[in-house]
Amino acid sequence: DAEITQSPRHKITETGRQVTLACHQTWNHNNMFWYRQDLGHGLRLIHYSYGVQDTNKGEVSDGYSVSRSNTEDLPLTLESAASSQTSVYFCASREGSGDTQYFGPGTRLTVL
Amino acid sequence: QQQVKQSPQSLIVQKGGISIINCAYENTAFDYFPWYQQFPGKGPALLIAIRPDVSEKKEGRFTISFNKSAKQFSLHIMDSQPGDSATYFCAASRGSARQLTFGSGTQLTVLP
Repeated sequence: DAEITQSPRHKITETGRQVTLACHQTWNHNNMFWYRQDLGHGLRLIHYSYGVQDTNKGEVSDGYSVSRSNTEDLPLTLESAASSQTSVYFCASREGSGDTQYFGPGTRLTVL
Repeated sequence: QQQVKQSPQSLIVQKGGISIINCAYENTAFDYFPWYQQFPGKGPALLIAIRPDVSEKKEGRFTISFNKSAKQFSLHIMDSQPGDSATYFCAASRGSARQLTFGSGTQLTVLP
């Protein structure tokens, strides 16, 4: 079955380190999204992509970057991790003409 | 600026009761209003969605009521069951981009 996966599921890192979170989907969806989830804030959009080589900033993009070299993957990079980036990160994908976003299982990131 | 406000933050209901979660939005350009359900340790999953051309949509025990003039919409869970215990997020999006703006979430607990 087609699916969306994230890795790692849990990550502990130190302040200042570079961290990359992986997102892989097998639906061949053009649209992919990264969110962070924090208590009291719901899910906030970090970056999104509408296709290969396309990336766009979301509501809370400072300190994060993404790149899209193929349809299946949208890795999220924290250039220099900060304690404020401790959160649960969700990747999602959506087919071009559809409304529904399909979410991955999430990555819990702790920055010490 | 939070464009979608959700209440209550938490809700406790007895089995068989009705759970009601409310959301209000500010941007009149929003044209798609989904509700997502999230179980602990999982990613959000689409539960039910509505467009502003209808005032109500029902799927099984779940109903969305939509009030365009008041810019409000709500989720009603009839005959609530312990298996409905989860966090519920309302969201809104507009145009072909379909970027979702989420509410802050409601943690529902249904007591047996």
